[in-house]
Amino acid sequence: QQQVKQSPQSLIVQKGGISIINCAYENTAFDYFPWYQQFPGKGPALLIAIRPDVSEKKEGRFTISFNKSAKQFSLHIMDSQPGDSATYFCAARSRGGTSYGKLTFGQGTILTVHP
Amino acid sequence: DTAVSQTPKYLVTQMGNDKSIKCEQNLGHDTMYWYKQDSKKFLKIMFSYNNKELIINETVPNRFSPKSPDKAHLNLHINSLELGDSAVYFCASSQASRGKSGANVLTFGAGSRLTVL
Repeated sequence: QQQVKQSPQSLIVQKGGISIINCAYENTAFDYFPWYQQFPGKGPALLIAIRPDVSEKKEGRFTISFNKSAKQFSLHIMDSQPGDSATYFCAARSRGGTSYGKLTFGQGTILTVHP
Repeated sequence: DTAVSQTPKYLVTQMGNDKSIKCEQNLGHDTMYWYKQDSKKFLKIMFSYNNKELIINETVPNRFSPKSPDKAHLNLHINSLELGDSAVYFCASSQASRGKSGANVLTFGAGSRLTVL
């Protein structure tokens, strides 16, 4: 039962371009939306995160846009660099109850930035 | 270095065998997790322990048994391994804190790649 849907599965961008990855969720009992970046052979690492009462958060070249009414959020990578090539996961954290703190991940997007 | 450490990094074994993966964190976190990443890179939670107490137990076969001797360690034992168990298993930790923005950020280990032949 997939509660967080992520697209596209893969993305190829030229250096300097904008990479956009989208996620949609179904469960309204989520209270925190992080993005993780995973390089080959490594574990996922937190990249940036947003709370649902904020519509946008920017950290350097990375921006999350959040649309609570549409239950959608997206990651924008400005001026994409070859070093950004990795797999990106959106996630949503469950709020309350026995599932508190549980992260549900999207399917992942493999980003390739060509030099 | 402060980190989440998993051993072994690679594990190749025959069907039917029993194996264990160990995890240790020195971040002072009180919550630890096991996630499974399949061949399509999908990450799914298996278990979560908070201060040695099991708090999340997803639909995982009984052949998988986590064990947390203390809040810095969470081991995963797998009995009667099957081909479908082949995956990368990630241990993670976090500091649970209800209601605080940014709390419960997960720190992942580097993963343990299990191959069942």
